[in-house]
Amino acid sequence: AQTVTQSQPEMSVQEAETVTLSCTYDTSESDYYLFWYKQPPSRQMILVIRQEAYKQQNATENRFSVNFQKAAKSFSLKISDSQLGDAAMYFCAFFSSGTYKYIFGTGTRLKVLA
Amino acid sequence: KAGVTQTPRYLIKTRGQQVTLSCSPISGHRSVSWYQQTPGQGLQFLFEYFSETQRNKGNFPGRFSGRQFSNSRSEMNVSTLELGDSALYLCASSVDRAFDEQYFGPGTRLTVT
Repeated sequence: AQTVTQSQPEMSVQEAETVTLSCTYDTSESDYYLFWYKQPPSRQMILVIRQEAYKQQNATENRFSVNFQKAAKSFSLKISDSQLGDAAMYFCAFFSSGTYKYIFGTGTRLKVLA
Repeated sequence: KAGVTQTPRYLIKTRGQQVTLSCSPISGHRSVSWYQQTPGQGLQFLFEYFSETQRNKGNFPGRFSGRQFSNSRSEMNVSTLELGDSALYLCASSVDRAFDEQYFGPGTRLTVT
């Protein structure tokens, strides 16, 4: 069965500092997609970053970047120059091209300290 | 461009009743997915619709059903409500494929008493 594991239920980071959120997944497939979603306290989920498994280059979106290690099945999110608005729940998600389903991790609550 | 809208935002129902939730995707989006979010189980995929057809479904009992209309609007229905169905139900739309960028609605908070 495919699984997504976020081992850090909660993380804290000082404003302007860098933080890395961990995500590991388990699959026997080679064609899949990985995502990081942000869910602020207002509850509207927002896509942060997306990575296609066939691409070796790590995806980046402004202050957000990933470290995609396909062999290790690891997909961590790095947030640079953290801002108060980054405080939210962050979900790692896996999409299987075989089963055509999403699987989400349990989330990491990120607190940003002023 | 208007975002994904979900109605109603809050619902309180009694065990045994049924409920229908509605989702209007972003204009031009043809894929609509539904998710259940609970503190215990996290975020779980319910089903995805594309061009009025259910393209895939998660591991939920048959009490959970959905449909999509020709204008891509989607509804999900839960029959014979149980206490465990209390959750935030999220709808997300994307242009064509479920693995395209998904835009989420604000959710419908369902409480079953």
